[in-house]
Amino acid sequence: NAGVTQTPKFRVLKTGQSMTLLCAQDMNHEYMYWYRQDPGMGLRLIHYSVGEGTTAKGEVPDGYNVSRLKKQNFLLGLESAAPSQTSVYFCASSVGTDLRVNIQYFGAGTRLSVL
Amino acid sequence: QKEVEQDPGPLSVPEGAIVSLNCTYSNSAFQYFMWYRQYSRKGPELLMYTYSSGNKEDGRFTAQVDKSSKYISLFIRDSQPSDSATYLCAMSALVLGRGSTLGRLYFGRGTQLTVWP
Repeated sequence: NAGVTQTPKFRVLKTGQSMTLLCAQDMNHEYMYWYRQDPGMGLRLIHYSVGEGTTAKGEVPDGYNVSRLKKQNFLLGLESAAPSQTSVYFCASSVGTDLRVNIQYFGAGTRLSVL
Repeated sequence: QKEVEQDPGPLSVPEGAIVSLNCTYSNSAFQYFMWYRQYSRKGPELLMYTYSSGNKEDGRFTAQVDKSSKYISLFIRDSQPSDSATYLCAMSALVLGRGSTLGRLYFGRGTQLTVWP
């Protein structure tokens, strides 16, 4: 029972490099989310998806792109990494916000350092 | 002003103490209130959720919501060292239809709790 799986767990990038973070969920959830967590800032929503083939901007979308080609996967891309993107990134999924309560299930996180 | 305010602590208590964690919010449309627990270097996991005002109890944990004061609390009785974690409050508005901004969770910054033996 994997739930939400994020890869990689750790990554170090140089400024200007690109990378893709992968999120996979096996709960057949409709909605998926990408957050970043920084000290003193809490969880901030980057992008989210309400279904396969759809994406939408969250609170802090600049510098990131996402894709949801398959229902179970949600990819977060950094085209040209900057030191300000050093953070812990969390993926989450939920059944869907049509239901009474939007309970989100989180992955274990990806720690990214941009030098 | 952030929509959800939470004192980040840190909070340090002895084993067996009663712990009180709190959040305030400004958006009166919030109706679902959640508490997530996050252990060090792990992802947040849902601890409890409540709808509208009132209390909800689950073992040693009690969640309270006071919508008139826009204030929510989580109480931990007989705290244990295994309760040491960061506790995040989160809240969302009732969803009446599909849309790109519906059902979004708004998180507090989290309170770091240490229970020492």
